[in-house]
Amino acid sequence: EVQLVESGGALVQPGGSLRLSCATSGFTFSDHYIDWVRQAPGKGPEWVGRSRNRANSYSTDYATSVKGRFILSRDDSESSVYLQMNSLKTEDTAVYFCARGYCASGAYQGLDYWGQGTLVTVSS
Amino acid sequence: QSVVTQPPSASGTPGQRVTISCSGGSSNIGRNNVYWFQQFPGTAPKLLFYANNQRPSGVPDRFSGSKSGTSASLAISGLRSEDEADYYCAAWDDSLSAVLFGGGTKLTVL
Repeated sequence: EVQLVESGGALVQPGGSLRLSCATSGFTFSDHYIDWVRQAPGKGPEWVGRSRNRANSYSTDYATSVKGRFILSRDDSESSVYLQMNSLKTEDTAVYFCARGYCASGAYQGLDYWGQGTLVTVSS
Repeated sequence: QSVVTQPPSASGTPGQRVTISCSGGSSNIGRNNVYWFQQFPGTAPKLLFYANNQRPSGVPDRFSGSKSGTSASLAISGLRSEDEADYYCAAWDDSLSAVLFGGGTKLTVL
């Protein structure tokens, strides 16, 4: 069974840092992408970043709103992806989801499994 | 343009066919695949379509997706009360090197 479990959400002051984890199981981790998507209260989803698979050299991309502040890393031995969030702003307050970007036969086929999300609150 | 736009709301009665539009630009929908998600309050989004019109297993065939030029559409036929949810489209944007989500459409089943 495919599972993704986020952890690390907390209340943090503006300017602070936080590291989120996405622990996965039930699939070959290195074959697929992992995306982070956040959702502020009452708003729609906002894509945060992507960690690609081994076939794509584990490359990363970020939303403009977090570029230079957030960093993705992945540990294949732990089947986990980490989102290091620095210089946090009040507008970063949201539920953060990680999701699997399913890849088959070299083709990306969308975010097919999602975690339950972890809440990050940036406030003084 | 590097933005993806959806109508904020849509509605229909049980049994009707409803269509939700998703409009983008040449750098996103015009060049790349469109993905559709369904979301109920308090839950994570669920993938409804990938690659414009490909339905993951388990998604009823009452749902259909299409794309033409810089626009895409989600159609739901035989509308049911349980279809009442928020629907989002998304696409990769080549100019931003990022995924863009539409603002979402709240579907109400009257």
